[in-house]
Amino acid sequence: GEDVEQSLFLSVREGDSSVINCTYTDSSSTYLYWYKQEPGAGLQLLTYIFSNMDMKQDQRLTVLLNKKDKHLSLRIADTQTGDSAIYFCAESTRGSQGNLIFGKGTKLSVKP
Amino acid sequence: DAGVIQSPRHEVTEMGQEVTLRCKPISGHNSLFWYRQTMMRGLELLIYFNNNVPIDDSGMPEDRFSAKMPNASFSTLKIQPSEPRDSAVYFCASRYRDEQYFGPGTRLTVT
Repeated sequence: GEDVEQSLFLSVREGDSSVINCTYTDSSSTYLYWYKQEPGAGLQLLTYIFSNMDMKQDQRLTVLLNKKDKHLSLRIADTQTGDSAIYFCAESTRGSQGNLIFGKGTKLSVKP
Repeated sequence: DAGVIQSPRHEVTEMGQEVTLRCKPISGHNSLFWYRQTMMRGLELLIYFNNNVPIDDSGMPEDRFSAKMPNASFSTLKIQPSEPRDSAVYFCASRYRDEQYFGPGTRLTVT
């Protein structure tokens, strides 16, 4: 079945790069997403990548996709304290009619 | 655009009462999703609609939960009767093409 796995916690120092990793199981995934959730808020769509791409860059964010290993990562350059949040990976598959399957989220803590 | 709008933002009710959560999707979006988020279970999809038609309600936990989408700009999620284990944050999201956007959520506490 479909499943998305993420590590639960990541701690980095301000100014360093953060790399949040995700694995998924469904090889028919069409799009893969990264969402950010700050305390008390909804999920904010950060970026997404189509499954025939292997990289996408958007300002400080870089998404890498290894389709063979079903591995997705989100790199945040020059991490700031405002980046502290929970980051969710999600996949959309052909058979899902657009429904997203979410991981449990990675809590990023940025220390000054 | 104001984004996905949910009301109320917070709801505290007593066990056994009926609770109605409301959602206004982003104009022009043709899919709407209801999710529940708890510490224990994470983010769970309850039900979703395409063009106002319910497509998959397999995530609705029990018959006490029901959802409607009478038109393209409004949806409700109703819990009757509510129980303490229903306490969670309920999110509505709407989608256009490949982008899904979430509302701010309703924090429900059932005592």
